[in-house]
Amino acid sequence: AQSVAQPEDQVNVAEGNPLTVKCTYSVSGNPYLFWYVQYPNRGLQFLLKYITGDNLVKGSYGFEAEFNKSQTSFHLKKPSALVSDSALYFCAVRDIPLPIYGNNRLAFGKGNQVVVIP
Amino acid sequence: DGGITQSPKYLFRKEGQNVTLSCEQNLNHDAMYWYRQDPGQGLRLIYYSQIVNDFQKGDIAEGYSVSREKKESFPLTVTSAQKNPTAFYLCASSIDDRGFPNNEQFFGPGTRLTVL
Repeated sequence: AQSVAQPEDQVNVAEGNPLTVKCTYSVSGNPYLFWYVQYPNRGLQFLLKYITGDNLVKGSYGFEAEFNKSQTSFHLKKPSALVSDSALYFCAVRDIPLPIYGNNRLAFGKGNQVVVIP
Repeated sequence: DGGITQSPKYLFRKEGQNVTLSCEQNLNHDAMYWYRQDPGQGLRLIYYSQIVNDFQKGDIAEGYSVSREKKESFPLTVTSAQKNPTAFYLCASSIDDRGFPNNEQFFGPGTRLTVL
């Protein structure tokens, strides 16, 4: 079964500094990878996804993520963090083994709390 | 959160009571999901439905029940058999994920259930 690891519980970064949130995954086939953000007492908002093609994916609010197949990683990055980026970030993976139809549910990591310090 | 509504936002339940959480979407999505979120545990799948009148158990279905009589609605009932129901419940939907598994899920704003 697919799984995701987000090794850091909390990431602290000063405003204006680069932000990185780490994610590694495990699948048996090809991965579809997603990043979501959650603000307090709200639902999750989609940021970006990797399906195929270019390993660098650009998403909403200036975020991007780099897919690295050899390291099975999909780290989320932002060149210059804002205080408003403080939130909970979730990485998710969907395993797509052949045949494509069937049980291909999304597996979420436990989330990383990002705190951007003014 | 646009396109998916959950009600109520906050819900209090006495032990031994069943409660039903509402989830409605106007995105014309075929697939709908219920997740439970607990601090430090991420999201865990309770039930999902890929088409109307069909649903499947997720990883933690015990003590929960669902129905999918209409495409836009996927209510979740938390029964008295659920031993620890206090949590944040999230509903999501996506375009038919059987043929298009690369599509993202859209989430509602959530319902916070507290057992008194």
